[in-house]
Amino acid sequence: AQSVSQHNHHVILSEAASLELGCNYSYGGTVNLFWYVQYPGQHLQLLLKYFSGDPLVKGIKGFEAEFIKSKFSFNLRKPSVQWSDTAEYFCALWMNRDDKIIFGKGTRLHILP
Amino acid sequence: DGGITQSPKYLFRKEGQNVTLSCEQNLNHDAMYWYRQDPGQGLRLIYYSQIVNDFQKGDIAEGYSVSREKKESFPLTVTSAQKNPTAFYLCASSRPGQGNTEAFFGQGTRLTVV
Repeated sequence: AQSVSQHNHHVILSEAASLELGCNYSYGGTVNLFWYVQYPGQHLQLLLKYFSGDPLVKGIKGFEAEFIKSKFSFNLRKPSVQWSDTAEYFCALWMNRDDKIIFGKGTRLHILP
Repeated sequence: DGGITQSPKYLFRKEGQNVTLSCEQNLNHDAMYWYRQDPGQGLRLIYYSQIVNDFQKGDIAEGYSVSREKKESFPLTVTSAQKNPTAFYLCASSRPGQGNTEAFFGQGTRLTVV
């Protein structure tokens, strides 16, 4: 079955620490991959996206993600987090055959000042 | 301003009543989606539509119904058959089928059954 798995449900880090959030998907066809962020009380915003080409994509606010096709993974990274990165992060997958977008369960990130 | 408008922001319903959540977009997107967001569950797909007068069930369609009579509008009805309707509902739209797309979201409707 098609699915998106986010490994960490809740992550707590101190400011300036490095971040990596895991995302794996299960689908055999062509995909587009996304990371969305939801800050407290705000609507979902796109952080970055992968469609094709360079598997390392850069997004807003210093975030980047790497698509590794052989591992069906699309992990999100940031070298040095800030208190303002406290939010919930969602990995999402668009599947070409079904032409729909599904989401993972989210990772709640809490940055300690 | 282009975007997706969901209304109302907060909605209260008595048990046994149907309720309809509105979603309108002026982005000229063909595809529209309804998701339900619960703590720890992420966003689960209820229904989606790639074109007017056509829609498909998502992963949790039971107890919900939709219509797509106009490109701009994709209302969701939460019926009395939905066993646990209290949740945050998100509507989204995108350009379908091109591969170069992302979902744009509305602000959501929080439904509470009392």
